[in-house]
Amino acid sequence: DAGITQSPRHKVTETGTPVTLRCHQTENHRYMYWYRQDPGHGLRLIHYSYGVKDTDKGEVSDGYSVSRSKTEDFLLTLESATSSQTSVYFCAIRLGQDNEQFFGPGTRLTVL
Amino acid sequence: RKEVEQDPGPFNVPEGATVAFNCTYSNSASQSFFWYRQDCRKEPKLLMSVYSSGNEDGRFTAQLNRASQYISLLIRDSKLSDSATYLCVVRARGNRDDKIIFGKGTRLHILP
Repeated sequence: DAGITQSPRHKVTETGTPVTLRCHQTENHRYMYWYRQDPGHGLRLIHYSYGVKDTDKGEVSDGYSVSRSKTEDFLLTLESATSSQTSVYFCAIRLGQDNEQFFGPGTRLTVL
Repeated sequence: RKEVEQDPGPFNVPEGATVAFNCTYSNSASQSFFWYRQDCRKEPKLLMSVYSSGNEDGRFTAQLNRASQYISLLIRDSKLSDSATYLCVVRARGNRDDKIIFGKGTRLHILP
């Protein structure tokens, strides 16, 4: 158990509303990641963080922003949700001798 | 050629049989390799890292062939609980962070 929690676990929202997902870790890991997973696409990186206030874009960052003001929290914001952002969102941290990734339980987001 | 490619399956295999998955990758500079397991509606979980010399963990054996750029996973004496999607993951050195690419996964159904 890598001590990662995500909130909320499920959310239904309407197109055009802002949404913020939270990832929280308890073990002071430097690297944190946000992925989305959709049928037929596998896991795709949205944004990642390599330290407090240090973030960078992944391959599908359009429509998303992130913030990391504390080591333990990595927030993903959809400024104006669209139906194409309906997905399962996973947060991950990096650790281990091989720098493998460990995932949170996921947030299932539905945008109507 | 896709960065990481897997046969999507599904593989329908009787309990007790041996099953093998292959995964090919396109980046010859890839450094680390992993197999993850993902149960339905759950997060991916690390199954094992894959080393050049090959490695074994109980009924699971992973092998890497750098020359041909593929990795494999062998499951012996399959159990009903092995039913899941198996993700091939490849890591290469990036700029600020390593680039981690996930395959889309191979679905395995173990039949009683």
